[in-house]
Order: sequence, then structure tokens, then C-alpha cells
Amino acid sequence: DAMVIQNPRYQVTQFGKPVTLSCSQTLNHNVMYWYQQKSSQAPKLLFHYYDKDFNNEADTPDNFQSRRPNTSFCFLDIRSPGLGDAAMYLCATSRVDTGSSGYTFGSGTRLTVV
Amino acid sequence: GQNIDQPTEMTATEGAIVQINCTYQTSGFNGLFWYQQHAGEAPTFLSYNVLDGLEEKGRFSSFLSRSKGYSYLLLKELQMKDSASYLCAVRAASGGSYIPTFGRGTSLIVHP
Repeated sequence: DAMVIQNPRYQVTQFGKPVTLSCSQTLNHNVMYWYQQKSSQAPKLLFHYYDKDFNNEADTPDNFQSRRPNTSFCFLDIRSPGLGDAAMYLCATSRVDTGSSGYTFGSGTRLTVV
Repeated sequence: GQNIDQPTEMTATEGAIVQINCTYQTSGFNGLFWYQQHAGEAPTFLSYNVLDGLEEKGRFSSFLSRSKGYSYLLLKELQMKDSASYLCAVRAASGGSYIPTFGRGTSLIVHP
């Protein structure tokens, strides 16, 4: 089945130690998104790619970076995780950025910072 | 920016009908989505509205009024498995692209 896959499902990292979260998709969608979701809060968009065009949200901290080496893969790099970065990180895709196709989410990576 | 407001929590009885409201303020509106999210899981797509009116899909219906900045999700014949968070998301123009912004979700508790 075509899907969005995030690895790992759970990630524990040390304070200040760089960590990378990965997302892959078999849907061949053009757009990929990274969201941060803290408990009982709305998913917050960090950045998105339309094909190779990178779009950073204005309030996304510099500590967060992203790479999309090809259509299928997208990575979220957190350069120096702080305790406040503990959250669920959701990857989503859409075929284009308009229309009724909606967004397909991966199962998320829950990040714990110790 | 966008402002999306939905109730924090609602409770309902199995078999009943519940309406979850969402109000929003935005410019460059390009569609409204409803997603269901069970605890610890990813959101899953429920419905999409871009024109005014009601969209029906089985037990779920969604309504949109663009002039009022208002939508609701209607769930009929509630089942215990419908206990989840329901997220309203508004897509709007941002720079050269269209971006979805999510509300914080309404936690629905269905009891017997």
C-alpha cells in the first residue's frame, strides 16, 4: 500500500545531541511537510517542500533544519535538542498544495530529550 | 496569520449525534479540512470543504460558511471508537503556496 513512513516511531536523545528524524513516501506526492505537535496542542508547521523548493515558517527556530534529497525522502535535523523540543513530529504529504486531495500523515516520531 | 477556534472537549452518548464547531479568521482561504486523531496516532482525513454548504460522507458530514468563517463536523450514530480528537484545518495562501494550519482539536469522549 502507498503510504508515508516515519522512522523511528520513538526516539530518545540527549540534551544537545544532534538527532535526525526520517520520513519516506511511496505516494509520489510533490509536497512534504514537517509538523511539531506537543501534547493537547495543534500540529505546528515547521517547514514544507514543494518538490525541491524549501519553505521555512517564519517562527521555526534555527535549531531545526530539513533536507529532501529526492521525491521520496525528507529528513528533519535538530542540531541541539532542548527539553522544549520533546514532542511528536509528524510528516505529511500532499500531491499538490491545492485541491481536495488532503494530507497523508505518517505515524509520527515521538521525541524524548533527556 | 490565521486564528482557528474549536471547543477543547465534548462528551456524547453512544448512538447520539454530535456537532463540533470550528471558527476561523484568515485571508486567502483555499479550503477547510477535518481530521480525526486518536491518542498517540497520526491524524487521518475525514472531509474537505471549499464551497459553502454541506458535504456528507456516511456517518460524517461537514458544513462550511465562508462568509461567516465557520464550519462544523457532524457525527451521527456515535460509536465508542469515535472517541478521538477532531482537528479543523484551514488552508490559505502563504507566499507562493498554500499552507494548512491546524486548530488544537476537540477531544470527543463517547460514553455508553
